[in-house]
Amino acid sequence: SQKIEQNSEALNIQEGKTATLTCNYTNYSPAYLQWYRQDPGRGPVFLLLIRENEKEKRKERLKVTFDTTLKQSLFHITASQPADSATYLCALAGGYQKVTFGIGTKLQVIP
Amino acid sequence: EAGVTQSPTHLIKTRGQQATLRCSPISGHTSVYWYQQALGLGLQFLLWYDEGEERNRGNFPPRFSGRQFPNYSSELNVNALELEDSALYLCASSYEQYFGPGTRLTVT
Repeated sequence: SQKIEQNSEALNIQEGKTATLTCNYTNYSPAYLQWYRQDPGRGPVFLLLIRENEKEKRKERLKVTFDTTLKQSLFHITASQPADSATYLCALAGGYQKVTFGIGTKLQVIP
Repeated sequence: EAGVTQSPTHLIKTRGQQATLRCSPISGHTSVYWYQQALGLGLQFLLWYDEGEERNRGNFPPRFSGRQFPNYSSELNVNALELEDSALYLCASSYEQYFGPGTRLTVT
């Protein structure tokens, strides 16, 4: 069955460093992959979308890579700030617009 | 441009009752997706509506149903509520998944 894995444990990082979050998937051929930020009790906020034929996408301090051979996406936040503390979700969209979300990784940026 | 709106913000029901949740997508968006997020769990895909029709549904029992109206707003109905239906219900607009703030459903 299709499976998405994200670091289930929280990631603690010092302010100013680069945070790297991982999303691995199996039994899936996604057309595109998305990353979201979710704060407690709120809806996820769309951050970046990367298509299967793209290797890398950037937006301000964010960078996403997509390796369809390794079946992995990496999400980087450079120069991390305490305000970046949140849960980050990866989502894959495959056939017929069905979107599957990972459970998310909680990032804590320590001042 | 107004974002995705959902109502109500909170809903408290008792077991066996029915709940109705509403969602309005971003203006111009024709697709609405519904998700359930139980505490500590990931988002579980419930339903996808586009152009007024149900296009896909997740692995949920038939007591979870909904519809999409001509103005593309959508309604999620949950019948015969069970305690485990307590969750944050999220609606998203378009394939890029712009989410609303969610409806917190509590079943007692």
